[in-house]
Amino acid sequence: EVVLTQSPGTLSLSPGERATLSCRASQSLGNSYLAWYQQKPGQAPRLLIYGASTRATGIPDRFSGSGSGTDFTLTISRLEPEDFAVYYCQQYDRSFRCSFGQGTKLEIK
Amino acid sequence: QLVESGGGVVQPGTSLRLSCTASGFTFSYNGIHWVRQAPGKGLEWVALIWNHGNDEEYEDSVRGRFTVSRDNSKNTAYLQMNSLRVEDTALYYCAREGIPGGYGLDVWGPGTTVTVSS
Repeated sequence: EVVLTQSPGTLSLSPGERATLSCRASQSLGNSYLAWYQQKPGQAPRLLIYGASTRATGIPDRFSGSGSGTDFTLTISRLEPEDFAVYYCQQYDRSFRCSFGQGTKLEIK
Repeated sequence: QLVESGGGVVQPGTSLRLSCTASGFTFSYNGIHWVRQAPGKGLEWVALIWNHGNDEEYEDSVRGRFTVSRDNSKNTAYLQMNSLRVEDTALYYCAREGIPGGYGLDVWGPGTTVTVSS
């Protein structure tokens, strides 16, 4: 079973700054089936990135994903006020069973 | 879109069936996941049913207690939850698997709340 570990647990930044969120897998994700989600309070998660680096439909280009193997990164180039939320990474196993990281809370400094 | 229903307050050991009704897309094309979120906690994947209902996957803690199914003629997926435990208390989401698979859960419902308490 692949375990995803996200860091940091909480990230405090100001609007306009760059955010870098990390997701580390306990085993190599050879297929790069790694996705990122944003969740705001009281809302369902929203798909941001799939395939480690492809933006989902309608996602602004300030969001970017990178990485392969065991180390993946979500970068938000210039934070907007609406970007402060909790972010989760997610992977698939060979049977398309999923697992999520524990989340990174991005808060306003 | 997806909309869940069927949540409620139940006692440990009892059963509940959740529904996930789809609109605005061809339901039979996509797998459907169930994901839950305990109060104040992160996301936990629960189960997956593929588009024609001929293959299912479960998270270990629910295997043997929960069963996923779907009726494509009704654009609805179901999560039958038996032998419920206090630790099953959560907001339950259904979410669409992107095509062709492995491309993320791209549509989510607002969720339905299940509370298991004596």
